[in-house]
Amino acid sequence: GNSVTQMEGPVTLSEEAFLTINCTYTATGYPSLFWYVQYPGEGLQLLLKATKADDKGSNKGFEATYRKETTSFHLEKGSVQVSDSAVYFCALSDQTTDKLIFGTGTRLQVFP
Amino acid sequence: DAGVIQSPRHEVTEMGQEVTLRCKPISGHDYLFWYRQTMMRGLELLIYFNNNVPIDDSGMPEDRFSAKMPNASFSTLKIQPSEPRDSAVYFCASSYRRGAVPNEQFFGPGTRLTVL
Repeated sequence: GNSVTQMEGPVTLSEEAFLTINCTYTATGYPSLFWYVQYPGEGLQLLLKATKADDKGSNKGFEATYRKETTSFHLEKGSVQVSDSAVYFCALSDQTTDKLIFGTGTRLQVFP
Repeated sequence: DAGVIQSPRHEVTEMGQEVTLRCKPISGHDYLFWYRQTMMRGLELLIYFNNNVPIDDSGMPEDRFSAKMPNASFSTLKIQPSEPRDSAVYFCASSYRRGAVPNEQFFGPGTRLTVL
């Protein structure tokens, strides 16, 4: 069945460092891919999405490219800020159901 | 746009009591999802509705849990009787689908449930 695997956390970085959070998926068909972010005490918010191969989603300096050949959707940001500290979830949704399959989440901690 | 509204935001109850969580989806959305989040199990989908009809309740942990959606603007998740292991944050989310591409889900702020 469909599944999402993302890197274990926590990821600890200094402010202005480069961020990569790896995400790979297993799916039949052509899923849409998402990154959600959860700040402390809040619900999940959509960060970015991509709906087909080679699409690049971007928002707030974050980027992720839908790579069908490697079944990956890695999240990147060139210069993280303390305010980016949160838990990041990779997710997929296929075209036959509107369920989202979430990864386990990766906690990012950014220190000044 | 008010977003997805959940109430209460916090609930503390004693074991054996009935708990009802409420959700108002975004107007115009035709899908509604209930999730549970714990440190041990992460984020779990409990049940989801399409046009007020339950589509998949395979994630509902046991018969103590029930969910209803009497109309397009309201849903409840009920636990009766509650147990300490039900302590978690419960999220409601809504979405809509137009054409072949599923759209993103919009999450509410969650209800933090503590069962003593």
